[in-house]
Amino acid sequence: SQQGEEDPQALSIQEGENATMNCSYKTSINNLQWYRQNSGRGLVHLILIRSNEREKHSGRLRVTLDTSKKSSSLLITASRAADTASYFCATDAAQGGKLIFGQGTELSVKP
Amino acid sequence: DTAVSQTPKYLVTQMGNDKSIKCEQNLGHDTMYWYKQDSKKFLKIMFSYNNKELIINETVPNRFSPKSPDKAHLNLHINSLELGDSAVYFCASSPRHGTDTQYFGPGTRLTVL
Repeated sequence: SQQGEEDPQALSIQEGENATMNCSYKTSINNLQWYRQNSGRGLVHLILIRSNEREKHSGRLRVTLDTSKKSSSLLITASRAADTASYFCATDAAQGGKLIFGQGTELSVKP
Repeated sequence: DTAVSQTPKYLVTQMGNDKSIKCEQNLGHDTMYWYKQDSKKFLKIMFSYNNKELIINETVPNRFSPKSPDKAHLNLHINSLELGDSAVYFCASSPRHGTDTQYFGPGTRLTVL
């Protein structure tokens, strides 16, 4: 199945450091999205990157997409304790109009 | 002001019971979804509705029956609950059916004893 896989599964850093999370997928996509989930809460959309885009920025977030390698990365710069959450990538399926989510990267930012 | 709301937030019940989870969105979106998130945080789509019409039904046991009385509401009824149904269930919505940004509710943690 076309499932995104995040790497690493868990990441622990100090406040102020950058955090990089990677996502790989299996088949061609129209777009790839990143979501954040705080503990005990629903997912919140962060950024969407289309297959014809290579890089996108939103505040302290930078997303890259390499369709030749079927991979994406999410970089959070100057991390804060409030960035502690799970981060998921989601890819659209070839048909059916559904999003396939990976299992997420659990980020812990220590003050 | 909550965009996507679900009730209840927690649901603890015995095996074999029937229960319902309700979802409402006030975003004016056409499409609503139900997802199941297991203990390993794996999130899997169960159903999607577009303008009250069922679009996606992902090999979910027929003990699960979604109902959409109007495009702002999508409820999930579960019959004969089993231990394996324990999970967090999320409702979501998007402007149209497809792969738009989705807006998630806060989740319903279901525990089957």
